[in-house]
Amino acid sequence: DAGITQSPRHKVTETGTPVTLRCHQTENHRYMYWYRQDPGHGLRLIHYSYGVKDTDKGEVSDGYSVSRSKTEDFLLTLESATSSQTSVYFCAIRSDPNSYEQYFGPGTRLTVT
Amino acid sequence: DQQVKQNSPSLSVQEGRISILNCDYTNSMFDYFLWYKKYPAEGPTFLISISSIKDKNEDGRFTVFLNKSAKHLSLHIVPSQPGDSAVYFCAASSFLAGGTSYGKLTFGQGTILTVHP
Repeated sequence: DAGITQSPRHKVTETGTPVTLRCHQTENHRYMYWYRQDPGHGLRLIHYSYGVKDTDKGEVSDGYSVSRSKTEDFLLTLESATSSQTSVYFCAIRSDPNSYEQYFGPGTRLTVT
Repeated sequence: DQQVKQNSPSLSVQEGRISILNCDYTNSMFDYFLWYKKYPAEGPTFLISISSIKDKNEDGRFTVFLNKSAKHLSLHIVPSQPGDSAVYFCAASSFLAGGTSYGKLTFGQGTILTVHP
């Protein structure tokens, strides 16, 4: 258990509304990541963070923004949700900066109607 | 462009037999490879990994083989058990020039493994 929680676990929202997903970790890991999982695509990196206020874009960052004001929290915001952002979102941490292994949270299922 | 590909969407195996899951990659800069297992409604869990300086890594029933010339890796599960039924993802990463690594992973599409009793 890497001490990662995600909230909310499920959310239904309407097109055009803003949505913020939260990832919280309890072990002060430097690296944090947001992925989305879609059928036929596996997991795709949205944004990542390598420290407080240090973030960068991943493979599918359009329509998403992130913030990391504290080590323990990494927020993913959909400024104006679209139906194409219906997905399962996973947060991950990298516990050892000398290895590549990442450990994932339980996920948030987001439905945009 | 899919840099990591798992061309078999599903695999069905009898309990006790070997399961072989395959993964191909196109980016020659990848130097570390990982396998994850995912059950429904849970996050992926790390299973086993291999560095590009090796061609085999073993952990209990799980063995990963890397063929760099073919840009191919495979995960062998022996013997397969019903509890191994899950989606398996392979992933790859690389150091940036100069040795910097943000640890970004590129995943394949996943293979659904079903182990029948």
